[in-house]
Amino acid sequence: GQQLNQSPQSMFIQEGEDVSMNCTSSSIFNTWLWYKQDPGEGPVLLIALYKAGELTSNGRLTAQFGITRKDSFLNISASIPSDVGIYFCAGLNTGTASKLTFGTGTRLQVTL
Amino acid sequence: NAGVTQTPKFRVLKTGQSMTLLCAQDMNHEYMYWYRQDPGMGLRLIHYSVGEGTTAKGEVPDGYNVSRLKKQNFLLGLESAAPSQTSVYFCASSYSISGTGVLEQYFGPGTRLTVT
Repeated sequence: GQQLNQSPQSMFIQEGEDVSMNCTSSSIFNTWLWYKQDPGEGPVLLIALYKAGELTSNGRLTAQFGITRKDSFLNISASIPSDVGIYFCAGLNTGTASKLTFGTGTRLQVTL
Repeated sequence: NAGVTQTPKFRVLKTGQSMTLLCAQDMNHEYMYWYRQDPGMGLRLIHYSVGEGTTAKGEVPDGYNVSRLKKQNFLLGLESAAPSQTSVYFCASSYSISGTGVLEQYFGPGTRLTVT
């Protein structure tokens, strides 16, 4: 089955730094979602993007839906220790019972 | 609202044993899903349901069965567990966002299963 490619796979950053990660696909999706997973927990939805080219913010998080509908990126500004976790992108096409295709994840670690 | 709950949280099985994982949601969501998560592979869809009494296969359905007898519950069964089914299992439910038709998924806390 298809999985989305996320990069980087992992990153270590210092508190206060900005973070950028992206997600690419060989297929088109008409919705992109970004989730965060804390250790021992299920993924939690951070941002949903519904239109090609859309830029959406949620606090310190900003995500964009690529114009080709085959990619998306997530930025985190001024990182803090609680940003630690695994970030997953997911693509969705409506009319397919909302079946998500997940990326492989980006593991973020923040050092003081 | 408890959201999406899963039982049990941990389980160890021997090869060939059977078990059922229970997922419950109190949000009146129509759609429910079972995923497995393996290291470095993200989440893969096992089975899903678009409503009470209906089920469908996902990406990796072999070795699993599901049932949705009640809207709020979605059961995942392993009839004869194999070591390859060692994984973390997540249940999710979703609803349609008014005006967009898009469905966002909400996940349970997971069940960690080890098959020896």
